[in-house]
Amino acid sequence: NAGVTQTPKFRILKIGQSMTLQCTQDMNHNYMYWYRQDPGMGLKLIYYSVGAGITDKGEVPNGYNVSRSTTEDFPLRLELAAPSQTSVYFCASRRTGGASGANVLTFGAGSRLTVL
Amino acid sequence: DQQVKQNSPSLSVQEGRISILNCDYTNSMFDYFLWYKKYPAEGPTFLISISSIKDKNEDGRFTVFLNKSAKHLSLHIVPSQPGDSAVYFCAALRGLSQNFVFGPGTRLSVLP
Repeated sequence: NAGVTQTPKFRILKIGQSMTLQCTQDMNHNYMYWYRQDPGMGLKLIYYSVGAGITDKGEVPNGYNVSRSTTEDFPLRLELAAPSQTSVYFCASRRTGGASGANVLTFGAGSRLTVL
Repeated sequence: DQQVKQNSPSLSVQEGRISILNCDYTNSMFDYFLWYKKYPAEGPTFLISISSIKDKNEDGRFTVFLNKSAKHLSLHIVPSQPGDSAVYFCAALRGLSQNFVFGPGTRLSVLP
């Protein structure tokens, strides 16, 4: 069981370039999330999705876009990369319903992005 | 404005002793709290959680205490092991919100 898989693990971008961070989960979780973690800071929510076709902004959505065409995949798109987007990005998912563990996020290993 | 604070960036403990990691929050509407552990180059992994209707939850060597009046929770690890060396994040959730609010983390080093 792979859980949450993120690609790439590392990427260096030039200012103004765009790229997509991929995230896929095989746990049939409805809810998926993108967080970023800056040094010395907690994880900040960028976007989330409660199911295929439904996405919403989190705390720090500017400069990013997402889509959710399937339950499994939740890609994060960076348009016009800026140095402020240098960060480690984590994708996460969680199941819904009243079962135990419904409030627990399962994270991917992270994608480290540097914008120069 | 940090809603979840972990005021100790780092903590060192001798193997076999107790580790106590602290977390304070400002939003009284938070009703669910979680602790995550993170090793380098890995994603955070869930450790233990507590609902606001409880004041203690135990799972093996890990116990989380919640003091709602003080808006404070703590994670106790007894006995501490070298494999517990990691960054620990406190997180809080309010009702049906999707925004898990994370603290900045505390780096625990358990010395052999």
